Amino acid sequence: DAGITQSPRHKVTETGTPVTLRCHQTENHRYMYWYRQDPGHGLRLIHYSYGVKDTDKGEVSDGYSVSRSKTEDFLLTLESATSSQTSVYFCAIRGVNDGYTFGSGTRLTVV
Amino acid sequence: SQQGEEDPQALSIQEGENATMNCSYKTSINNLQWYRQNSGRGLVHLILIRSNEREKHSGRLRVTLDTSKKSSSLLITASRAADTASYFCATETGANNLFFGTGTRLTVIP
Repeated sequence: DAGITQSPRHKVTETGTPVTLRCHQTENHRYMYWYRQDPGHGLRLIHYSYGVKDTDKGEVSDGYSVSRSKTEDFLLTLESATSSQTSVYFCAIRGVNDGYTFGSGTRLTVV
Repeated sequence: SQQGEEDPQALSIQEGENATMNCSYKTSINNLQWYRQNSGRGLVHLILIRSNEREKHSGRLRVTLDTSKKSSSLLITASRAADTASYFCATETGANNLFFGTGTRLTVIP
């Protein structure tokens, strides 16, 4: 999607290992979000950021941390991955018209 | 906890027919948004309706909002096979983030 990229697109990792997912935007938007999508649950908010070094928790933040040292980058870290964190992760930015633009997602498998 | 709930969970129609999806939510909102997701892809923003609006149109899309009933509907007119996707409603309260429902899976049969 234009203006927002996620990396990696796919990742398989072992239980207990740290994992960092990256979201990069070229739109200079203030708000950035990390969601996870699981069957039967829709999208659930993990963390969001409202500026450089300004972040807050969402409804499913346990086991995740985030960092935003630059406007364009928002990192999601799983400190010690568990099988319950197997999911598809989406990053989003909030546009000037309040609609969100989503990245293409990262499919994470924890084995 | 989920703010929005879509109904039906799945909908199958013939090409050219209209498709209607409904969304109910629980608390006061600033706006309600609809998104489309094709299989294996990210979500695409379709339309936003604010709490002081009752109806909005965008191309073949028509969205209504009834804040007294805490409900919204998305109408897709003259559906096409390319409209096959999952559709999500999402509500924004005062916290500058969106809460999503579990979606309606729409299948348009050519």
